[in-house]
Amino acid sequence: DSGVTQTPKHLITATGQRVTLRCSPRSGDLSVYWYQQSLDQGLQFLIQYYNGEERAKGNILERFSAQQFPDLHSELNLSSLELGDSALYFCASSVGTGLYEQYFGPGTRLTVT
Amino acid sequence: AQSVAQPEDQVNVAEGNPLTVKCTYSVSGNPYLFWYVQYPNRGLQFLLKYITGDNLVKGSYGFEAEFNKSQTSFHLKKPSALVSDSALYFCAVSRLMEYGNKLVFGAGTILRVKS
Repeated sequence: DSGVTQTPKHLITATGQRVTLRCSPRSGDLSVYWYQQSLDQGLQFLIQYYNGEERAKGNILERFSAQQFPDLHSELNLSSLELGDSALYFCASSVGTGLYEQYFGPGTRLTVT
Repeated sequence: AQSVAQPEDQVNVAEGNPLTVKCTYSVSGNPYLFWYVQYPNRGLQFLLKYITGDNLVKGSYGFEAEFNKSQTSFHLKKPSALVSDSALYFCAVSRLMEYGNKLVFGAGTILRVKS
């Protein structure tokens, strides 16, 4: 158990809908990262937050947004969902920003029908 | 751009035999390299990292990795494979960005250890 928690574990929704994925980092970790894992794209970085501030952005779609709250938990919001958004979404956390190892949560499996 | 390549989609090894999972990197500047393992329906687990120092890095569960600058490689190794080592292994490079960082992952290698 990495200490990173993600809810929900599974999410099934229809195209055009909006969902929110939640992540709680390990105790003491200030950085939160979001990654998307799909069969065709592999593991792709979406976005990083450090102590409430956005620090790095990957190829995150404009339909997707995230935030990190004062208690350091983070939420990833996915809107106007398309079939191609079906994937496993991972949250990871680390002590700081830089060369620290990242600890991954169990993921949220999103299925868009 | 920072990238890693895992040339083998799958590696098969017999239990008790040594295993190697290959990774090569392409980076500008110093490479900061990581290995992660993913078991079915689980998140990624950190195994080890190379930042600087000794070329042989020891990690969790008896795994080690050898950093080779001349060959731009960072192969994962274990002297004696266990059936329970069967999983999906990812090599990654850390890319430092202006105010943050991200991991860039390889495509992954499936390791199958047969008894």
